[in-house]
Amino acid sequence: NAGVTQTPKFRVLKTGQSMTLLCAQDMNHEYMYWYRQDPGMGLRLIHYSVGEGTTAKGEVPDGYNVSRLKKQNFLLGLESAAPSQTSVYFCASSYSTGTSYTFGSGTRLTVV
Amino acid sequence: EDKVVQSPLSLVVHEGDTVTLNCSYEVTNFRSLLWYKQEKKAPTFLFMLTSSGIEKKSGRLSSILDKKELSSILNITATQTGDSAIYLCAGEAMNRDDKIIFGKGTRLHILP
Repeated sequence: NAGVTQTPKFRVLKTGQSMTLLCAQDMNHEYMYWYRQDPGMGLRLIHYSVGEGTTAKGEVPDGYNVSRLKKQNFLLGLESAAPSQTSVYFCASSYSTGTSYTFGSGTRLTVV
Repeated sequence: EDKVVQSPLSLVVHEGDTVTLNCSYEVTNFRSLLWYKQEKKAPTFLFMLTSSGIEKKSGRLSSILDKKELSSILNITATQTGDSAIYLCAGEAMNRDDKIIFGKGTRLHILP
């Protein structure tokens, strides 16, 4: 009964380094999303996917790339990390539109 | 541009008080309004509202949607310290691929 699992939970990067955040869901959901949450800003959508092999840009996509090679996994990549990308990142999934999201427990990323 | 606005942004009350959290939305082709509770980690789903005037209840929490006023309220009666959290409101549009738009949240703190 794992739901949505994010790895890693914490990470510190140096400016310019790259990394990949992994989101895995075991609920056979079609839709997956990556959000970032910053103090006073709420949840902002980075990228999303409406099915295996598809991705689309959200509200704040710059500096990030994503891939959905398998239905259960949604990867978020930072090619060259910047301090402005210090944030808490949440992955979410849903069966379809019109259904609620299930969130992962978040990844706290600090870029120094 | 679609948006969801929550008020107040922050609220401190004493245990036993009743609180009302507000959410207004401007969402093209509106489908539903969702409420989430976020404690230390992932947001957890509370309510999905699609029809105007029909109250949804879960224990001491209740919520109602007013499509005429483009708003929703979340009520919590007889508050407890465990209700301390960030409460997020989100609006969903009807079109396929459309995403949920989150408000900035209301940070609620219950004093013992």
